[in-house]
Amino acid sequence: KQEVTQIPAALSVPEGENLVLNCSFTDSAIYNLQWFRQDPGKGLTSLLLIQSSQREQTSGRLNASLDKSSGRSTLYIAASQPGDSATYLCAVSSYGGSQGNLIFGKGTKLSVKP
Amino acid sequence: EAGVTQFPSHSVIEKGQTVTLRCDPISGHDNLYWYRRVMGKEIKFLLHFVKESKQDESGMPNNRFLAERTGGTYSTLKVQPAELEDSGVYFCASSQDVRDNMIQYFGAGTRLSVL
Repeated sequence: KQEVTQIPAALSVPEGENLVLNCSFTDSAIYNLQWFRQDPGKGLTSLLLIQSSQREQTSGRLNASLDKSSGRSTLYIAASQPGDSATYLCAVSSYGGSQGNLIFGKGTKLSVKP
Repeated sequence: EAGVTQFPSHSVIEKGQTVTLRCDPISGHDNLYWYRRVMGKEIKFLLHFVKESKQDESGMPNNRFLAERTGGTYSTLKVQPAELEDSGVYFCASSQDVRDNMIQYFGAGTRLSVL
């Protein structure tokens, strides 16, 4: 049974710092991995999707990597800003379920202090 | 273009009552998903529609939950009768394609409180 773990559960950094959020999954048989952002009271916004055949994806100050064999993904945020404060969620689409069935971690709550 | 919309944003009901949640996906998205997050837990998959058909309903917790998508447009999720443990945030998502472009776009969620 696929399980997704995110470490740390919460992170507080000063503005301008580069940071890394971690995600691990127990079963490497995945279709893809997605990183989402959730602001309080809002829905989830997809940040990056990495297909199982890819190693990384980049969007602006965000870079997500995927190491399927070790069951790990990282989300790198460069030059963090207070507007980056949110909960970041990692989710995988696993062979054990249908492709549309996303399995989520509990998230990392990020706070960027001005 | 409108995103995924959910109604109501918040519902407070008593144990034993019935509640119906509605989701309007992004226009043209054949795939529609329901998820929920109960207090302190991760978001969990409930079911997946392709048009009006249930593709995967493996996450539905029990037969008190009924999801429909008549005509392949909007979807409803009915909880009858509601129990205390049903409290949480129910999210709906839609995607254009399950294979090549399966980015799921989420609504803001419906917060359900069962008292």
